[in-house]
Amino acid sequence: DTEVTQTPKHLVMGMTNKKSLKCEQHMGHRAMYWYKQKAKKPPELMFVYSYEKLSINESVPSRFSPECPNSSLLNLHLHALQPEDSALYLCASSQGRAGVRETQYFGPGTRLLVL
Amino acid sequence: GNSVTQMEGPVTLSEEAFLTINCTYTATGYPSLFWYVQYPGEGLQLLLKATKADDKGSNKGFEATYRKETTSFHLEKGSVQVSDSAVYFCALRHSYNQGGKLIFGQGTELSVKP
Repeated sequence: DTEVTQTPKHLVMGMTNKKSLKCEQHMGHRAMYWYKQKAKKPPELMFVYSYEKLSINESVPSRFSPECPNSSLLNLHLHALQPEDSALYLCASSQGRAGVRETQYFGPGTRLLVL
Repeated sequence: GNSVTQMEGPVTLSEEAFLTINCTYTATGYPSLFWYVQYPGEGLQLLLKATKADDKGSNKGFEATYRKETTSFHLEKGSVQVSDSAVYFCALRHSYNQGGKLIFGQGTELSVKP
């Protein structure tokens, strides 16, 4: 089983709202990732958690706040977003050994629209 | 630095045609190479991978061979179907990258007509 689940599937929010995206995996993976993807572009890495600790923040604005409550869950808290933040947000996970042969498995994504 | 270059799309083929999507990379050492597929409105799915030179990855009729001498990982399929219409991303992962992050190509959109 290589399933990563994400909720919600779609989200519409205003610029003053606070919302959260959720990602879950039960593969025993210890590395989890958030990506942002604009239409017809490759995913852009935002954050990496390794063993529940934030290991990479790709200079993401503070209106995006990640959280890893346990090894199976990854959240992305959203606050005061801008319309240009509208995109597909993808979660991924991998075993967490940070080796070259690691494979990342992606979830179906949350399609976010900021009005 | 490390990078991936894919042939530009969109690529339009008729059903049962032969498919090649070119992918070349720049990296020191021996990265792992991946092809991901993204169907309309969905997330990325791992299609196939190869972790060392001369490895061939294969899945669902798709194949790609890791060629160190030409730094390439071209995706091929002998007979495409309408259901193969999607965007295909070539990617590499290198331990020298920060945290072993994935480096993606720009993606190639494939459209298969009946």
